Amino acid sequence: AQTVTQSQPEMSVQEAETVTLSCTYDTSESDYYLFWYKQPPSRQMILVIRQEAYKQQNATENRFSVNFQKAAKSFSLKISDSQLGDAAMYFCAYRRSTGNQFYFGTGTSLTVIP
Amino acid sequence: DAGITQSPRHKVTETGTPVTLRCHQTENHRYMYWYRQDPGHGLRLIHYSYGVKDTDKGEVSDGYSVSRSKTEDFLLTLESATSSQTSVYFCAIGGGGSYNEQFFGPGTRLTVL
Repeated sequence: AQTVTQSQPEMSVQEAETVTLSCTYDTSESDYYLFWYKQPPSRQMILVIRQEAYKQQNATENRFSVNFQKAAKSFSLKISDSQLGDAAMYFCAYRRSTGNQFYFGTGTSLTVIP
Repeated sequence: DAGITQSPRHKVTETGTPVTLRCHQTENHRYMYWYRQDPGHGLRLIHYSYGVKDTDKGEVSDGYSVSRSKTEDFLLTLESATSSQTSVYFCAIGGGGSYNEQFFGPGTRLTVL
């Protein structure tokens, strides 16, 4: 089974500052997808960003960007200009390109300090 | 937002009773999933479906069964609820074939007393 590890159960960041959330994964596949999901207190799971493993360029969505290091099997999420609304649980997820199952990390709880 | 609803949204039940949770989608996705979310464990896959009447087990399937008689509905049944099944349950769609990401329903909070 694939494993996804988020080693930071909790993180905090000052409003307007930058924070990086870590994620590592274990796989023997060469082609796969990686995702970051956000879960605010409303409990709704929201897709933040995704990365295809075959793409070398790091994905970016507005203030959210990733640092994808394929050889190191690392997929970190950078949040720039942090806002109060960014406070949430963040989950990293992996899916093989030919598979149906997603594998999630245990999550990182992000607090944004005004 | 993807059209995914879950019912009920909250339920309290007693140990030993059967419970059925419903997931309904209006997106005509082939793939549907049931997860449970527990502190310290993230989301763990219970069962998933890749078509009508086609289902498979996930990581934590013991004590759960599923059925999918129509594309739009995916039912999760706890045959005899236990306190260890107290959790938040999420339904998701997508992720198979050309669909990369999953879209999630709002979740159901189940408490087994």
